[in-house]
Amino acid sequence: DAEITQSPRHKITETGRQVTLACHQTWNHNNMFWYRQDLGHGLRLIHYSYGVQDTNKGEVSDGYSVSRSNTEDLPLTLESAASSQTSVYFCASSAYGVGSTDTQYFGPGTRLTVL
Amino acid sequence: GQNIDQPTEMTATEGAIVQINCTYQTSGFNGLFWYQQHAGEAPTFLSYNVLDGLEEKGRFSSFLSRSKGYSYLLLKELQMKDSASYLCAVGGRYGNKLVFGAGTILRVKS
Repeated sequence: DAEITQSPRHKITETGRQVTLACHQTWNHNNMFWYRQDLGHGLRLIHYSYGVQDTNKGEVSDGYSVSRSNTEDLPLTLESAASSQTSVYFCASSAYGVGSTDTQYFGPGTRLTVL
Repeated sequence: GQNIDQPTEMTATEGAIVQINCTYQTSGFNGLFWYQQHAGEAPTFLSYNVLDGLEEKGRFSSFLSRSKGYSYLLLKELQMKDSASYLCAVGGRYGNKLVFGAGTILRVKS
């Protein structure tokens, strides 16, 4: 069955370190998204991609970067981790192209703690 | 910009009916989604409305009024497993991106 996976599921790191969170989907979806979820804020969009070599900034992109070299993967990198980036991170994907509204399917999440 | 409001918490009794409201203000509208999220898990898709009216799926129904910027999720015959957070999300002008409300925590008591 097609699925979307994230790794690691839990990560503890130190302030200033670079961290990369992986997201892999086998749905063959064009669109991929990264969100963070914090108490009281719901899901906030960090970065998104509509296809290979396409990346866009979301609402809370400062301190994060992504790259899309193939359809299946959208890794999220924290260039220099800060305590404010302690959060639960969700990756999601959806099928259709730009301008279409489509259901997003979520990965299981990565809980990141920055000490 | 986009603004989505939903109640923070609700409590209901097993077997009862509960309605979770969502109001939104968006620049453009391309559909409204409801997701369910159990504690420690990923959000899972429940329903999608793009036209006015009621969509029914078993015990869950979702209603949309575009002119009022209003939606609700109706849960019937509540079960303990329905205790979860319910997220309202709106697709704006460019569709693919969703803006999420902060979520409503529903507690079902016996």
